[in-house]
Amino acid sequence: DGGITQSPKYLFRKEGQNVTLSCEQNLNHDAMYWYRQDPGQGLRLIYYSQIVNDFQKGDIAEGYSVSREKKESFPLTVTSAQKNPTAFYLCATRGSWTEAFFGQGTRLTVV
Amino acid sequence: AQSVTQLGSHVSVSEGALVLLRCNYSSSVPPYLFWYVQYPNQGLQLLLKYTSAATLVKGINGFEAEFKKSETSFHLTKPSAHMSDAAEYFCAVSAAGDGGSQGNLIFGKGTKLSVKP
Repeated sequence: DGGITQSPKYLFRKEGQNVTLSCEQNLNHDAMYWYRQDPGQGLRLIYYSQIVNDFQKGDIAEGYSVSREKKESFPLTVTSAQKNPTAFYLCATRGSWTEAFFGQGTRLTVV
Repeated sequence: AQSVTQLGSHVSVSEGALVLLRCNYSSSVPPYLFWYVQYPNQGLQLLLKYTSAATLVKGINGFEAEFKKSETSFHLTKPSAHMSDAAEYFCAVSAAGDGGSQGNLIFGKGTKLSVKP
């Protein structure tokens, strides 16, 4: 099936720990995005990449890092510098400059 | 730069009643506009999109939206609500046909729709 796969669906992080969220796509889309969703705040852009080996900061990049070594993959690392990481994280792709397609999300909780 | 305002964080309707979810946008360039739906703990699914063709856009599940440039609006409607329509709805805007940073999707804060039996 063509689509976007985010894993894991649920993730727990201890204080001071880095964690990595996976996003894989087989839609052959050039652009990939990471959004953070908090209740009542909509979706906020963390990072985006329009081509392999290149990525740009979004509106709330502090405390996060990404890589884009392959077209199919765009992992997001939540570092210990992110002081409030508990949120729902959504990965999206875009093939043409119309709609974005979304994965099922990863819910990250600090314990 | 683009921005989106969704009026009303919560909307409640009775089953069978009209659904109207409001979205106003701001864009310095011709926009593309989108409505997405999200069910709990899931990703977003595209309902419909406006990409410079017909101003009245029909989407899935009986939803439609009308692009009104003079009012900078893109309100979502459905003539008769169904229980399964209960979800959160997001309006989004991007610059038309632009692969640069203005092409990024900018989302509103969302409207939660409740449907009463």
